[in-house]
Amino acid sequence: DIQMTQSPSSLSASVGGRVSITCRASQSISSFLNWYQQKPGKAPNLLIHDASSLQSGVPSRFSGSGSGTDFTLTISSLQPEDYGTYYCQQSYSTPLTFGGGTKVEIK
Amino acid sequence: QVQLVESGGGLVKPGGSLRLSCEASGFTFSDYYMSWIRQAPGKGLEWVSYISSSGSSIYYADSVKGRFTISRDNAQNLQYLQMSSLRAEDTAVYYCATIKAVAGIYFQHWGQGTLVTVSS
Repeated sequence: DIQMTQSPSSLSASVGGRVSITCRASQSISSFLNWYQQKPGKAPNLLIHDASSLQSGVPSRFSGSGSGTDFTLTISSLQPEDYGTYYCQQSYSTPLTFGGGTKVEIK
Repeated sequence: QVQLVESGGGLVKPGGSLRLSCEASGFTFSDYYMSWIRQAPGKGLEWVSYISSSGSSIYYADSVKGRFTISRDNAQNLQYLQMSSLRAEDTAVYYCATIKAVAGIYFQHWGQGTLVTVSS
């Protein structure tokens, strides 16, 4: 199974600040990496698919990069509504696996 | 718009069975692969199973293989998860999701989830 490791596990940042979350795969997964945002008590919401493709309707301040084993989700200018937990997920092979999550808090 | 509504969750004793349903609307259900993903209380996301659009291809996580069965009824726009031999560690919110494939596959639309609690 491919293990997905996210860092940091939590962060706190100010509105307008730049936030980066990393996700590392235990083996190369090419660009088969997706990012989701989950707010408390809600279902996850797809942000980025295939490492860098922005899902329709997602603000352009979200971007994804990387390939192989190392990936990054960047929020260019953090907004109050960006709080929540962010998860990466690989689709290179089954079982499909998620990272442990990164909780983002707004200072 | 796409809507996925899960039902069938509840309290069940260890060793018991439960069937979850996911009613889909707002899209052509028979064109889409579908999946179940779960989240234990206070924990992260865990993929459970997915099924191809025709139902001919099915995959399971090792943690549920042999105990859970995914199925679908394209005429009724329904997806199911039959769960048996339930364990305490199966306690979770179970989400139904559509699968989209461009390069890799991803979970594009999600339901609101249904809570399954396995406890004596």
